[in-house]
Amino acid sequence: QVQLVESGGGVVQPGGSQRLSCAASGFSFSNYAMYWVRQAPGKGLEWVAVISYDGSNTYYADSVKGRFTISRDNSKNTLYLQMNSLRAEDTAVYHCARVSVGFCVITSCSYFDYWGQGALVTVSS
Amino acid sequence: DIQMTQSPSSVSASVGDRVTITCRASQGINSWLAWYQQKPGKAPKLLLYAASSLQSGVPSRFSGSGSGTDFTLTISSLQPEDFATYYCQQANSFPPTFGQGTKVEIK
Repeated sequence: QVQLVESGGGVVQPGGSQRLSCAASGFSFSNYAMYWVRQAPGKGLEWVAVISYDGSNTYYADSVKGRFTISRDNSKNTLYLQMNSLRAEDTAVYHCARVSVGFCVITSCSYFDYWGQGALVTVSS
Repeated sequence: DIQMTQSPSSVSASVGDRVTITCRASQGINSWLAWYQQKPGKAPKLLLYAASSLQSGVPSRFSGSGSGTDFTLTISSLQPEDFATYYCQQANSFPPTFGQGTKVEIK
Protein backbone atom coordinates (compact mmCIF):
# COMPACT_ATOMS: atom_id res chain seq x y z
CA GLN A 1 0.00 0.00 0.00
CA VAL A 2 1.05 3.60 -0.53
CA GLN A 3 3.00 5.06 2.36
CA LEU A 4 4.56 8.45 2.91
CA VAL A 5 6.65 8.88 6.05
CA GLU A 6 8.16 12.22 7.00
CA SER A 7 11.19 12.67 9.22
CA GLY A 8 13.56 15.43 10.29
CA GLY A 9 11.27 17.60 12.36
CA GLY A 10 12.35 19.23 15.60
CA VAL A 11 13.04 22.47 17.41
CA VAL A 12 15.24 25.01 15.65
CA GLN A 13 16.23 28.55 16.52
CA PRO A 14 15.10 31.51 14.41
CA GLY A 15 17.47 31.92 11.50
CA GLY A 16 18.42 28.27 11.61
CA SER A 17 18.06 25.45 9.09
CA GLN A 18 16.30 22.11 8.99
CA ARG A 19 15.90 19.41 6.35
CA LEU A 20 12.81 17.28 6.12
CA SER A 21 12.61 13.97 4.30
CA CYS A 22 9.62 12.03 3.04
CA ALA A 23 10.17 8.35 2.34
CA ALA A 24 7.74 6.94 -0.21
CA SER A 25 6.77 3.32 -0.78
CA GLY A 26 4.05 1.25 -2.41
CA PHE A 27 3.97 3.13 -5.71
CA SER A 28 6.21 4.28 -8.56
CA PHE A 29 7.56 7.40 -6.87
CA SER A 30 9.28 8.67 -10.01
CA ASN A 31 5.92 8.93 -11.82
CA TYR A 32 4.32 11.50 -9.50
CA ALA A 33 4.74 15.17 -8.69
CA MET A 34 4.98 15.75 -4.96
CA TYR A 35 4.01 18.60 -2.64
CA TRP A 36 4.91 19.86 0.78
CA VAL A 37 1.86 21.24 2.59
CA ARG A 38 2.07 22.72 6.07
CA GLN A 39 -0.34 23.30 8.90
CA ALA A 40 0.42 25.81 11.63
CA PRO A 41 -0.87 24.89 15.11
CA GLY A 42 -4.65 25.09 15.13
CA LYS A 43 -4.71 26.43 11.57
CA GLY A 44 -5.61 25.23 8.10
CA LEU A 45 -3.60 23.77 5.23
CA GLU A 46 -1.13 25.83 3.18
CA TRP A 47 0.85 24.64 0.19
CA VAL A 48 4.58 25.24 0.52
CA ALA A 49 6.37 23.77 -2.51
CA VAL A 50 5.88 21.36 -5.38
CA ILE A 51 8.29 19.39 -7.57
CA SER A 52 7.59 17.66 -10.85
CA TYR A 53 7.85 13.89 -11.18
CA ASP A 54 11.32 14.13 -12.71
CA GLY A 55 12.55 17.02 -10.55
CA SER A 56 12.91 19.39 -13.47
CA ASN A 57 10.34 21.93 -12.26
CA THR A 58 9.71 23.42 -8.85
CA TYR A 59 7.40 26.11 -7.48
CA TYR A 60 7.24 27.79 -4.09
CA ALA A 61 4.74 29.75 -2.04
CA ASP A 62 5.73 33.41 -1.75
CA SER A 63 6.07 32.97 2.02
CA VAL A 64 9.01 30.57 1.60
CA LYS A 65 10.51 31.55 -1.75
CA GLY A 66 14.26 32.08 -1.51
CA ARG A 67 14.45 30.28 1.85
CA PHE A 68 13.16 26.76 1.16
CA THR A 69 14.28 24.25 -1.48
CA ILE A 70 12.32 21.19 -2.53
CA SER A 71 14.18 18.30 -4.15
CA ARG A 72 13.82 14.59 -4.74
CA ASP A 73 15.95 11.51 -5.26
CA ASN A 74 13.96 9.09 -7.38
CA SER A 75 16.59 6.39 -6.91
CA LYS A 76 15.90 6.51 -3.17
CA ASN A 77 12.13 7.17 -3.41
CA THR A 78 12.62 10.19 -1.18
CA LEU A 79 11.39 13.78 -1.21
CA TYR A 80 13.21 16.55 0.64
CA LEU A 81 12.55 20.04 1.93
CA GLN A 82 15.57 22.12 2.89
CA MET A 83 14.46 25.01 5.08
CA ASN A 84 16.83 27.91 5.73
CA SER A 85 16.46 31.25 7.52
CA LEU A 86 13.61 29.84 9.55
CA ARG A 87 11.14 32.17 11.23
CA ALA A 88 8.66 31.73 14.04
CA GLU A 89 5.83 31.78 11.50
CA ASP A 90 7.29 28.67 9.84
CA THR A 91 6.31 26.65 12.92
CA ALA A 92 3.98 23.96 11.60
CA VAL A 93 3.41 20.32 10.85
CA TYR A 94 4.83 19.68 7.38
CA HIS A 95 3.08 17.02 5.30
CA CYS A 96 4.30 15.54 2.06
CA ALA A 97 1.49 14.76 -0.37
CA ARG A 98 1.20 12.94 -3.67
CA VAL A 99 -0.77 14.35 -6.59
CA SER A 100 -3.46 11.98 -7.77
CA VAL A 101 -2.37 11.69 -11.41
CA GLY A 102 0.98 10.48 -12.66
CA PHE A 103 3.11 12.32 -15.21
CA CYS A 104 0.95 15.43 -15.03
CA VAL A 105 2.06 19.01 -15.56
CA ILE A 106 2.46 20.25 -12.02
CA THR A 107 0.41 23.39 -12.54
CA SER A 108 -2.50 21.22 -13.72
CA CYS A 109 -2.69 18.39 -11.22
CA SER A 110 -3.61 19.37 -7.71
CA TYR A 111 -5.74 16.75 -6.03
CA PHE A 112 -3.82 14.98 -3.27
CA ASP A 113 -4.68 11.32 -2.85
CA TYR A 114 -2.05 10.32 -0.29
CA TRP A 115 -0.51 12.28 2.55
CA GLY A 116 2.06 11.60 5.21
CA GLN A 117 1.22 12.12 8.87
CA GLY A 118 3.59 15.04 9.03
CA ALA A 119 6.72 16.27 10.78
CA LEU A 120 6.50 19.05 13.37
CA VAL A 121 8.96 21.90 12.97
CA THR A 122 9.06 24.36 15.85
CA VAL A 123 11.01 27.57 15.37
CA SER A 124 11.75 29.04 18.77
CA SER A 125 14.62 30.44 20.79
CA ASP B 1 -4.70 33.11 -5.68
CA ILE B 2 -8.25 31.82 -5.39
CA GLN B 3 -9.70 32.21 -1.90
CA MET B 4 -11.82 29.41 -0.48
CA THR B 5 -14.30 30.16 2.29
CA GLN B 6 -16.04 27.44 4.27
CA SER B 7 -19.08 27.72 6.49
CA PRO B 8 -19.79 27.08 9.20
CA SER B 9 -16.41 27.00 10.95
CA SER B 10 -17.81 24.40 13.33
CA VAL B 11 -20.99 22.38 13.67
CA SER B 12 -22.32 20.30 16.55
CA ALA B 13 -24.28 17.26 15.54
CA SER B 14 -25.45 13.90 16.79
CA VAL B 15 -24.92 10.43 15.39
CA GLY B 16 -27.45 9.88 12.64
CA ASP B 17 -27.80 13.58 11.79
CA ARG B 18 -27.50 14.95 8.28
CA VAL B 19 -24.66 17.46 8.08
CA THR B 20 -23.99 19.94 5.29
CA ILE B 21 -20.85 22.02 4.88
CA THR B 22 -20.53 24.83 2.34
CA CYS B 23 -17.48 26.00 0.43
CA ARG B 24 -17.36 29.14 -1.71
CA ALA B 25 -14.62 30.08 -4.17
CA SER B 26 -13.63 33.70 -4.82
CA GLN B 27 -13.93 33.01 -8.56
CA GLY B 28 -15.34 30.25 -10.69
CA ILE B 29 -13.52 26.93 -10.51
CA ASN B 30 -15.86 24.79 -12.65
CA SER B 31 -15.98 21.47 -10.75
CA TRP B 32 -12.34 21.42 -9.72
CA LEU B 33 -12.97 20.91 -6.04
CA ALA B 34 -11.89 18.31 -3.51
CA TRP B 35 -12.97 17.57 0.05
CA TYR B 36 -10.66 16.15 2.73
CA GLN B 37 -11.25 14.78 6.21
CA GLN B 38 -8.64 15.21 8.91
CA LYS B 39 -8.62 13.75 12.40
CA PRO B 40 -6.33 15.13 15.14
CA GLY B 41 -2.71 14.16 14.62
CA LYS B 42 -3.50 12.36 11.38
CA ALA B 43 -2.94 13.00 7.68
CA PRO B 44 -5.75 14.52 5.63
CA LYS B 45 -7.78 11.96 3.70
CA LEU B 46 -9.24 12.61 0.25
CA LEU B 47 -13.01 12.06 0.31
CA LEU B 48 -14.26 13.54 -2.95
CA TYR B 49 -12.76 15.11 -6.04
CA ALA B 50 -14.21 16.84 -9.08
CA ALA B 51 -16.85 18.18 -6.68
CA SER B 52 -18.92 14.99 -6.57
CA SER B 53 -16.73 11.96 -7.36
CA LEU B 54 -16.25 9.65 -4.40
CA GLN B 55 -12.68 8.52 -3.77
CA SER B 56 -12.24 4.74 -3.68
CA GLY B 57 -13.08 3.28 -0.29
CA VAL B 58 -15.01 6.29 0.99
CA PRO B 59 -18.49 5.46 2.36
CA SER B 60 -21.46 6.47 0.24
CA ARG B 61 -22.93 8.58 3.06
CA PHE B 62 -20.50 11.26 1.88
CA SER B 63 -21.61 13.22 -1.16
CA GLY B 64 -20.66 16.45 -2.84
CA SER B 65 -22.34 18.87 -5.20
CA GLY B 66 -21.88 22.22 -6.86
CA SER B 67 -20.00 23.93 -9.63
CA GLY B 68 -18.72 27.40 -10.36
CA THR B 69 -18.28 29.10 -7.00
CA ASP B 70 -20.59 27.27 -4.59
CA PHE B 71 -20.14 23.74 -3.32
CA THR B 72 -21.50 21.51 -0.57
CA LEU B 73 -20.33 18.42 1.27
CA THR B 74 -23.13 16.36 2.79
CA ILE B 75 -22.86 13.54 5.29
CA SER B 76 -26.23 11.83 5.09
CA SER B 77 -26.14 10.03 8.45
CA LEU B 78 -23.31 11.04 10.74
CA GLN B 79 -21.31 8.16 12.21
CA PRO B 80 -19.02 8.24 15.26
CA GLU B 81 -15.93 8.00 13.04
CA ASP B 82 -17.00 11.09 11.06
CA PHE B 83 -16.22 13.55 13.85
CA ALA B 84 -13.30 15.40 12.33
CA THR B 85 -12.32 18.58 10.49
CA TYR B 86 -13.23 18.90 6.83
CA TYR B 87 -11.40 21.01 4.25
CA CYS B 88 -12.29 21.98 0.72
CA GLN B 89 -9.56 22.63 -1.86
CA GLN B 90 -9.70 24.10 -5.34
CA ALA B 91 -7.71 22.51 -8.14
CA ASN B 92 -8.85 24.76 -10.98
CA SER B 93 -5.79 26.96 -11.02
CA PHE B 94 -2.33 26.93 -9.55
CA PRO B 95 -1.58 27.18 -6.68
CA PRO B 96 -4.02 24.89 -4.93
CA THR B 97 -5.77 26.63 -2.05
CA PHE B 98 -7.76 25.31 0.89
CA GLY B 99 -10.68 26.47 2.93
CA GLN B 100 -10.09 27.23 6.59
CA GLY B 101 -11.80 24.04 7.71
CA THR B 102 -15.06 23.01 9.34
CA LYS B 103 -14.93 21.07 12.59
CA VAL B 104 -17.73 18.56 13.09
CA GLU B 105 -18.19 18.06 16.82
CA ILE B 106 -20.33 15.81 18.95
CA LYS B 107 -23.45 17.46 20.29
